[in-house]
Parts: sequence; C-alpha cells; structure tokens
Amino acid sequence: GQSLEQPSEVTAVEGAIVQINCTYQTSGFYGLSWYQQHDGGAPTFLSYNGLDGLEETGRFSSFLSRSDSYGYLLLQELQMKDSASYFCAVRVDTGFQKLVFGTGTRLLVSP
Amino acid sequence: DSGVTQTPKHLITATGQRVTLRCSPRSGDLSVYWYQQSLDQGLQFLIQYYNGEERAKGNILERFSAQQFPDLHSELNLSSLELGDSALYFCASSAGLTDTQYFGPGTRLTVL
Repeated sequence: GQSLEQPSEVTAVEGAIVQINCTYQTSGFYGLSWYQQHDGGAPTFLSYNGLDGLEETGRFSSFLSRSDSYGYLLLQELQMKDSASYFCAVRVDTGFQKLVFGTGTRLLVSP
Repeated sequence: DSGVTQTPKHLITATGQRVTLRCSPRSGDLSVYWYQQSLDQGLQFLIQYYNGEERAKGNILERFSAQQFPDLHSELNLSSLELGDSALYFCASSAGLTDTQYFGPGTRLTVL
C-alpha cells in the first residue's frame, strides 16, 4: 500500500517563509505533486517533481529526495491569500498510474 | 478556472436514492478521474477513464459506477445512497494517462 505523512497544520505570518514536509512510503513511485485547496474550492496544481532536486515556480518551490522518500513545499513571501490546505500526492504505478493524496496541511497566514 | 466543469454544484437527497454527477473535461483532455473528499479528509481516488474506456479503479464502492461518453464527458452514478456518502466529489482531467490533473469545482453531495 501507500502512505503519506504531512503536518496537519502550520501557522505563519505575512512575509514569512514556510516549509511543508511530506514523507511517503510507497511502491511504484513515479513522482511527487503538490496541490493547493482553499476552503470549499477545487484542488489547484502547484508543482510536480519527477526527479530529485528543487523546482521553482514564483514564490513556491518544491523539493524531492527519492532516496529519503521525502519532499517539501516551500512558500516564500507569504500572503494572506496563501491560507489554504496543501496536499502532497505521490504518483505511483501499480499496473496503472494514479495519484495518492496525503491528508493535507492547513496553512494559516496571519497579519 | 481549470477548464473542467461539473454539475450540479450542490445536491441534496435522501438515503436510498440515486444521483448522477456530470463532468466535462478540459478541451483536448482524454482522461477523466473521479475523487471523493469527505470532511477534513484527503482526496480518495475512485476511478479513471481514458478516451471512453475504464483505465483504473481505486476505492470505488460497488454502489457507484461511472462512464465516459464519446464526447469525453463523464458521469458518476451513486446509488442506494447512505449518510456516509455525503462528501465533495471532484472530477479531474488530464491530456493523457500520466499528465498533470486539473480539477473541476466539485459537486457537494448531502445525503439526509
């Protein structure tokens, strides 16, 4: 089976930097994705890491270490609108490819 | 706006009933996925269709079924509904079998 662990909640202030970690145990690992979901909204794709290393997209960066079964999402220059839930999701191939989502990290950004 | 549309936005029904949720993928996308998200839970993968054919099954109950039509829109049928089926149901689409998935706005189902 597959399992993912990420913190349930993280708090930070505007302008700060926050890192959301994700560890996983899975077979058939292909890559790690991150999605953002505001309350009542749809998950929105943020990033995908298929290889080890850092991917940067504006204020957001994502990192993957396949040997450590670990990744993180780094959010810089936090804004109030970044308050949302962030899900890591592993892409696995067990005869077919699918996404397995973690339970999400709720980020609260305060003034 | 992801380009994926879902109807209806909200659905309230009673136990034992049957409902149909509809999804239209982004233009050009061939894959459609269905997910269930219960309160404060992650997204549970239900089923995937690719170009009209079922490709992958996740934790989908036997009471649930889906199909993808020639115009690539998809429907998720939920029958013999139970209170525990109350959840947000999301549809996602991708260009191929392994590309990034883009999610629709979801259908909130409430079973009373």
